[in-house]
Amino acid sequence: NAGVMQNPRHLVRRRGQEARLRCSPMKGHSHVYWYRQLPEEGLKFMVYLQKENIIDESGMPKERFSAEFPKEGPSILRIQQVVRGDSAAYFCASSSGAGSTTGELFFGEGSRLTVL
Amino acid sequence: QKEVEQDPGPLSVPEGAIVSLNCTYSNSAFQYFMWYRQYSRKGPELLMYTYSSGNKEDGRFTAQVDKSSKYISLFIRDSQPSDSATYLCAMRRGNEKLTFGTGTRLTIIP
Repeated sequence: NAGVMQNPRHLVRRRGQEARLRCSPMKGHSHVYWYRQLPEEGLKFMVYLQKENIIDESGMPKERFSAEFPKEGPSILRIQQVVRGDSAAYFCASSSGAGSTTGELFFGEGSRLTVL
Repeated sequence: QKEVEQDPGPLSVPEGAIVSLNCTYSNSAFQYFMWYRQYSRKGPELLMYTYSSGNKEDGRFTAQVDKSSKYISLFIRDSQPSDSATYLCAMRRGNEKLTFGTGTRLTIIP
């Protein structure tokens, strides 16, 4: 009964490189959410996806950031041409989106990106 | 004004004390209310989940939601050093994004 799985747990990139963060939701969950957390700050919403659809990307920066959740495989958050300000912990969460447990959202352990 | 307001603390209490954590919110459309616990460098862990107004108890934890006042609380009884963590309130409507408070850092002093 695996929970939300994120990898890599730690990622170091130099400025200008690309970062790819992966998230496999809990079994039976079809809704995926990405959040960013800066040190000493709360969790900021980035994007909400269902299989093959972006439902809400109101928290995504307009440039360099993209997300997908394909029919097969994990959800991916992609950051192109990283800058030092992208250094943060990126958390993925999933929910079933159905029935009485609609509201429950479960988080992974996060991927910590460091940009040198 | 933020949608969800939470005192960041830090809050320090002696072991065995009752802890009270609170959040206020402005969006009356929120339906689901949650409390998460986050240890340093770990992911948020779902502690309590409540739909609409009312109380919910789970062991030493009690969550209260007062929709008329737009106010939610988490009480921790018989607090333990292992309860030291950051506590985040969160809320949402339907399947929409979860909106978080900034979190309250709690330390239980042995």
